[in-house]
Amino acid sequence: EAGVAQSPRYKIIEKRQSVAFWCNPISGHATLYWYQQILGQGPKLLIQFQNNGVVDDSQLPKDRFSAERLKGVDSTLKIQPAKLEDSAVYLCASSSMGVSSYEQYFGPGTRLTVT
Amino acid sequence: AQSVAQPEDQVNVAEGNPLTVKCTYSVSGNPYLFWYVQYPNRGLQFLLKYITGDNLVKGSYGFEAEFNKSQTSFHLKKPSALVSDSALYFCAVRVLTNTDKLIFGTGTRLQVFP
Repeated sequence: EAGVAQSPRYKIIEKRQSVAFWCNPISGHATLYWYQQILGQGPKLLIQFQNNGVVDDSQLPKDRFSAERLKGVDSTLKIQPAKLEDSAVYLCASSSMGVSSYEQYFGPGTRLTVT
Repeated sequence: AQSVAQPEDQVNVAEGNPLTVKCTYSVSGNPYLFWYVQYPNRGLQFLLKYITGDNLVKGSYGFEAEFNKSQTSFHLKKPSALVSDSALYFCAVRVLTNTDKLIFGTGTRLQVFP
């Protein structure tokens, strides 16, 4: 079974530029998550999708971050414009639907550096 | 508010010795507890979980964890550490509300010396 795929793996941009990350979850997984992991901290949930609907985006900085999952499979996370404090690893995870789906499976992450 | 604490930034242990990585939690309701491991430039890998039942949970790579409700702890343990166990370990809690997001601790770096 293929795991969660993410691209790019690394990205360096200047502040005020825009950037987009892509995630392909495990086949059949209805729930998709985007986490932000700042150096020295644990991952923090940015947004959670169930199929193509948003379940939780309470910690997404909506003035600059946006995410979509149009067909209920792949997802993109965009930052526009980027700030220095957005430097972090962005992790995508997926899980199957329902309360019995306890584990989340993580991709390798995208390391973003904003200069 | 739900939270997870990992009081040690780093744990050092000699190869062959037992290891413990500590985790305490604060949640309302029944906690679902997890341990994940992160190797350099890799995503998080699931190690084990506690949902219900036996307080001692066994997971991948010989790791186990003990759920202690009275102490609100979920410490990760391994009887005999390997150098290859050196990595960053995260404890997480999931509370089933309208979402099922994980709340992570800040992580503990485990260093196993030969």
